[in-house]
Amino acid sequence: EAQLVESGGGLIQPGGSLRLSCAASGFTVSSKYMSWVRQAPGKGLEWVSVIYSGGSKYFADSVKGRFTTSRDNSKNTLFLQMNNLRAEDTAVYYCAALDTEDYTAFDSWGQGTLVTVSS
Amino acid sequence: QLVLTQSPSASASLGASVKLTCTLRSGHSGYAIAWHQQQPGKGPRYLMKVNSDGSHNKGDEIPDRFSGSSSGAERYLTISSLQSEDEADYYCQTWGTGGVFGGGTRLTVL
Repeated sequence: EAQLVESGGGLIQPGGSLRLSCAASGFTVSSKYMSWVRQAPGKGLEWVSVIYSGGSKYFADSVKGRFTTSRDNSKNTLFLQMNNLRAEDTAVYYCAALDTEDYTAFDSWGQGTLVTVSS
Repeated sequence: QLVLTQSPSASASLGASVKLTCTLRSGHSGYAIAWHQQQPGKGPRYLMKVNSDGSHNKGDEIPDRFSGSSSGAERYLTISSLQSEDEADYYCQTWGTGGVFGGGTRLTVL
């Protein structure tokens, strides 16, 4: 059974940096398209980033140039490095895996980690 | 641009059925979409993928009460025999140049 567990969230001042981790079990992160999705308080789901199995990376316009994503295959873990954080980045951050049938659906989700950007 | 549209809210009585709709923007009626459930205070849970031909593939341990269908640019999630724990936000989602989410439908079970 696929399982994703996020960690690394917390309170950070505007302009600061934070690195989130997502530990996977039941599958290898290198074999799937792995994304980060966030949800601001009281709002809907917003896609943030993807790292494809081949290593290509893409980001939402709202985080481009400030966030990056990577993975450590030896630890079977996905990361989100967030720099120059803004108040509007405050959200619960989820990692999610795309299905390998036709790469349409997020078929596995973590429980989320809360990032609060505030002075 | 790939856009998914959902009604903000829906309601139905305990034991009844409800059909939620997700509409693909014109020109994208061939896309499959996924449905996700988010109960209060919890993370999203994958329910199923609905293809343009109406076929659907459910996630692990999703009850038979949940089913999917399709018509043109619309994708549906039908929940029958509504239970109190079905009260949640429901999001449709697909993939273009990145992930695309609908705005979500808040389902109230009366």
